[in-house]
Amino acid sequence: EDKVVQSPLSLVVHEGDTVTLNCSYEVTNFRSLLWYKQEKKAPTFLFMLTSSGIEKKSGRLSSILDKKELFSILNITATQTGDSAVYLCAVNRDDKIIFGKGTRLHILP
Amino acid sequence: SAVISQKPSRDICQRGTSLTIQCQVDSQVTMMFWYRQQPGQSLTLIATANQGSEATYESGFVIDKFPISRPNLTFSTLTVSNMSPEDSSIYLCSVADRDRISYNEQFFGPGTRLTVL
Repeated sequence: EDKVVQSPLSLVVHEGDTVTLNCSYEVTNFRSLLWYKQEKKAPTFLFMLTSSGIEKKSGRLSSILDKKELFSILNITATQTGDSAVYLCAVNRDDKIIFGKGTRLHILP
Repeated sequence: SAVISQKPSRDICQRGTSLTIQCQVDSQVTMMFWYRQQPGQSLTLIATANQGSEATYESGFVIDKFPISRPNLTFSTLTVSNMSPEDSSIYLCSVADRDRISYNEQFFGPGTRLTVL
């Protein structure tokens, strides 16, 4: 059965800290791995990863995929209170996206 | 990215009634999806809304409970029928365009928060 597992489920850090969120997956017909940020209702797209070892970067956020070990990490450096959200990892297979349960990140001022 | 709107944004309904949620996109898109996110859970795909044909439902979801329409490439509706408190959830519409290289990106609507009493 296809699955996407995220860890930790929740994380509380202080502003300025660096965090690493983990995502492992087991899916057939893998196409890409996606990261989303969900603050209220609608998830907003962060990254799409298709190739191993190539880091995607956007400001303080970066992500990398390891297709051999079937996992991805999302790094956030110099965290700010506005980074508080649920971060969702998802894997696209055959035009269907399977989501993990998310990591709830809370940044303390 | 596409701009997606959903109506209503929230509703409180009585057990046994039905609610229709609308999803409107500002441009034509190939693929439209409906998700459910129950409290504390991740997103679960209900169905893929197909333009001009019946929706494709995921395991555990049936047309009688969640009828879906997609009359054109910019609009879809999801009906939650004969509601029970277990249907209380956020319902999200999302879209993707197969013609783009990055069609794997899905963009989400603002969601509809449904509470069933």
